[in-house]
Amino acid sequence: AQKVTQAQTEISVVEKEDVTLDCVYETRDTTYYLFWYKQPPSGELVFLIRRNSFDEQNEISGRYSWNFQKSTSSFNFTITASQVVDSAVYFCAPTGSGTYKYIFGTGTRLKVLA
Amino acid sequence: DAGITQSPRHKVTETGTPVTLRCHQTENHRYMYWYRQDPGHGLRLIHYSYGVKDTDKGEVSDGYSVSRSKTEDFLLTLESATSSQTSVYFCAISARQGAENTEAFFGQGTRLTVV
Repeated sequence: AQKVTQAQTEISVVEKEDVTLDCVYETRDTTYYLFWYKQPPSGELVFLIRRNSFDEQNEISGRYSWNFQKSTSSFNFTITASQVVDSAVYFCAPTGSGTYKYIFGTGTRLKVLA
Repeated sequence: DAGITQSPRHKVTETGTPVTLRCHQTENHRYMYWYRQDPGHGLRLIHYSYGVKDTDKGEVSDGYSVSRSKTEDFLLTLESATSSQTSVYFCAISARQGAENTEAFFGQGTRLTVV
């Protein structure tokens, strides 16, 4: 059985600080896909990034970067120089290669204070 | 933005009545999903579809049924609404790129209140 854990319920940072959101995905699958979504106060779900389990490189896109450690099933998402508009709930949602069901974590609420 | 429309966007209904939520897509994606979102639980999968007339249960399917008679529409029915089904319901769609899963795109959500 697969299990996704977002242990951080809520994080508060001051604007311009860097913040890292943690996600742990426990699975027996050797190939899987990890997705991060953002849900701002308006309520819509916005896709942010996708990561494949077989992709070893960590990546940066603008203020977003992600660090994937397969050995610990840890998929962390970092926002550099946070802004008030980054305030939202962030969900990680993995899916295995043999399935098309997205399993959502319980989310991390990020509050960026001006 | 992905073409997904949920209707209605808001509904208040009485306990014991049947309710149908509609999800309509214009992207011709094969996979469609219904999730519910409740505080402390994130999004939980109710039912999903992997093609016309092909559906399967998710983790919280009791009290719900679905139908997909054409690619673009996925209906979620609460057979006899209960207060525990008060929630925000999201429809999602996704496709595949070869053997790889792509991201899911979500509708705007339907806020359902059962009184």
